[in-house]
Amino acid sequence: AQSVAQPEDQVNVAEGNPLTVKCTYSVSGNPYLFWYVQYPNRGLQFLLKYITGDNLVKGSYGFEAEFNKSQTSFHLKKPSALVSDSALYFCAVRDRNSGNTPLVFGKGTRLSVIA
Amino acid sequence: GAVVSQHPSRVICKSGTSVKIECRSLDFQATTMFWYRQFPKQSLMLMATSNEGSKATYEQGVEKDKFLINHASLTLSTLTVTSAHPEDSSFYICSASNTYEAGGYTFGSGTRLTVV
Repeated sequence: AQSVAQPEDQVNVAEGNPLTVKCTYSVSGNPYLFWYVQYPNRGLQFLLKYITGDNLVKGSYGFEAEFNKSQTSFHLKKPSALVSDSALYFCAVRDRNSGNTPLVFGKGTRLSVIA
Repeated sequence: GAVVSQHPSRVICKSGTSVKIECRSLDFQATTMFWYRQFPKQSLMLMATSNEGSKATYEQGVEKDKFLINHASLTLSTLTVTSAHPEDSSFYICSASNTYEAGGYTFGSGTRLTVV
């Protein structure tokens, strides 16, 4: 079975400071890993994904994430937070060899960037 | 890039009526569509998986007679909430699997359903 854990319900950070949103995962094989952002009453907006290759993935809006196989983690990071980054962030996983199956989502982490 | 158009974005209906939500893949063929439901401040919960031309596969606890899913073409999937009740009020999101891209999933913009 696949699962995702986002241990923090809420992350608060001051504008201009670096931010980290944590994610750990569990799959039986090798993972596809994703980060999405959701603004109120909106669908999911893709930020980045890890498929294979370089463990450091760079995505939209200055976000990046590092795949760490030994720690089964895929934490989302940004060097300098903006107030506009305040939103709900979801980590998701799928087993690479599971065929055309749906993503499994974490419970989400609400990021609040304070001016 | 791949786009999934979901309509309506918001709908308010009376108890007992039915509501249809459409998801269209605009520039790719969506052989598989996933339907999710999201309660306030919660994560996305998979409701069902539909493959073009075949019956949808529902997750445990999801009433197939209440949430009718049709995927008659490679570019259109619909979710109909039948005999809606206030407890069906939620945010519904579709996601199409884009097989042209490794790990390619494209999400619709979501539908806020309010049953009064």
